[in-house]
Amino acid sequence: GAVVSQHPSWVICKSGTSVKIECRSLDFQATTMFWYRQFPKQSLMLMATSNEGSKATYEQGVEKDKFLINHASLTLSTLTVTSAHPEDSSFYICSALRDVNEKLFFGSGTQLSVL
Amino acid sequence: GENVEQHPSTLSVQEGDSAVIKCTYSDSASNYFPWYKQELGKRPQLIIDIRSNVGEKKDQRIAVTLNKTAKHFSLHITETQPEDSAVYFCAASTNTGNQFYFGTGTSLTVIP
Repeated sequence: GAVVSQHPSWVICKSGTSVKIECRSLDFQATTMFWYRQFPKQSLMLMATSNEGSKATYEQGVEKDKFLINHASLTLSTLTVTSAHPEDSSFYICSALRDVNEKLFFGSGTQLSVL
Repeated sequence: GENVEQHPSTLSVQEGDSAVIKCTYSDSASNYFPWYKQELGKRPQLIIDIRSNVGEKKDQRIAVTLNKTAKHFSLHITETQPEDSAVYFCAASTNTGNQFYFGTGTSLTVIP
C-alpha cells in the first residue's frame, strides 16, 4: 500500500524559533502534496498545495512567508514554520497524491507546541 | 469552487446497529469521492472510495452510495463495532485530482 511518512511526530519549541516538518512518500512518487492544519475535534484546514519543482499555492489567509513550503523532489515536501508563536501550536498533517489512481494518502501528523 | 457538506456532526449508535453519514457536494465536475476514518491523534485512513461511473461500492461492512443527479453520497457501516468509533471525513475531487475538498467530519461513537 501507499505509505506517507511525516516527521517529527511531536515537537516542542520556544517562541521565535523555526520548525521544519518533513513529509515523504515512501513507495510512490507524489507530484502533488498538501499541507493541512487541524484543531482538536475539527476538520482538516488546507493550508497549501505543493507541486514538485514549483512554488506552493497557498490558501487565502495563510501567510506564505511564515509557512515555507518546499517540494524539491517527487517524494519529499517540507513545511517550515518560521518564528513560531504559541498561536501556531496545532496538529499539522500532510498528504500525498498518488497519480496512478489519484488516491490521497496522509502522513501521520505533527503535533507542534510552541511555548 | 466546490463545497462539501457533511451530516451529522456527531452520531451515536448501539453496537450492532447501522450508521449512515451523508455528504453533499456542489460542483458537478467532481467525480471521485473518498471516505477517511481518523482515530484520535492519528492520520486519516482511506477506508473506501467511489468514482462517478458507479452508484454503489461495498467492502465487507462498509458501503458507499453515490447519487450524481442529487449530488450526494453516503457512507453506510453495518453491524457496527466499538472499534468503528472515530471521526469520518468525506471528500470530493475532480479528474485532475489536484484539489480535494473535505467535509467537516462526523464523530461516530459505537456504544458497547
